[in-house]
Amino acid sequence: GQQLNQSPQSMFIQEGEDVSMNCTSSSIFNTWLWYKQDPGEGPVLLIALYKAGELTSNGRLTAQFGITRKDSFLNISASIPSDVGIYFCAGQGWAIASKLTFGTGTRLQVTL
Amino acid sequence: DTGVSQDPRHKITKRGQNVTFRCDPISEHNRLYWYRQTLGQGPEFLTYFQNEAQLEKSRLLSDRFSAERPKGSFSTLEIQRTEQGDSAMYLCASSFWTGGYEQYFGPGTRLTVT
Repeated sequence: GQQLNQSPQSMFIQEGEDVSMNCTSSSIFNTWLWYKQDPGEGPVLLIALYKAGELTSNGRLTAQFGITRKDSFLNISASIPSDVGIYFCAGQGWAIASKLTFGTGTRLQVTL
Repeated sequence: DTGVSQDPRHKITKRGQNVTFRCDPISEHNRLYWYRQTLGQGPEFLTYFQNEAQLEKSRLLSDRFSAERPKGSFSTLEIQRTEQGDSAMYLCASSFWTGGYEQYFGPGTRLTVT
């Protein structure tokens, strides 16, 4: 099935650094969501975006819905060790409550 | 709000056996989704229900897979005649209109077919 392209695929950063990752698609989406997944667990919703150009924050996380509707970005400020995990973007189509199409994931590792 | 729950968390079965997984959505969530996730990949959509009606099925859902949501509350996913390629994490999510349909996931059921 289709998977959205996420970059970078993985990253090592030091505690306190800011992190940026992005997600691109060949298709337009109506909603973009960002999830974090820990090993052996289900994805946890971080941020949901509903309008093109929208910028939304959740604590140290900030996400943006790209103007073209084909991309989204996630920034994490002042990273801490518990930020370690895999971050997935997901796009949702125009049909009400439609399925999510997920990205390939960005694995984040934070060193002290 | 107790979140989405799934049972069992882990299942090991031999090839050819049937398995059934259960998902209990967040109460009052009328939409329920099943996804499958293999190692190193993002979750892939399998099927979804609005109340008890199954509204969409992915081509990933072969004839050996069947899902039900008989009373519009919990759901079951059954895999018949399991194959090694069925080994994956099976995730359930639920949603409800709150200005959007954010999907909330359960912890998943890890299936290993030997």
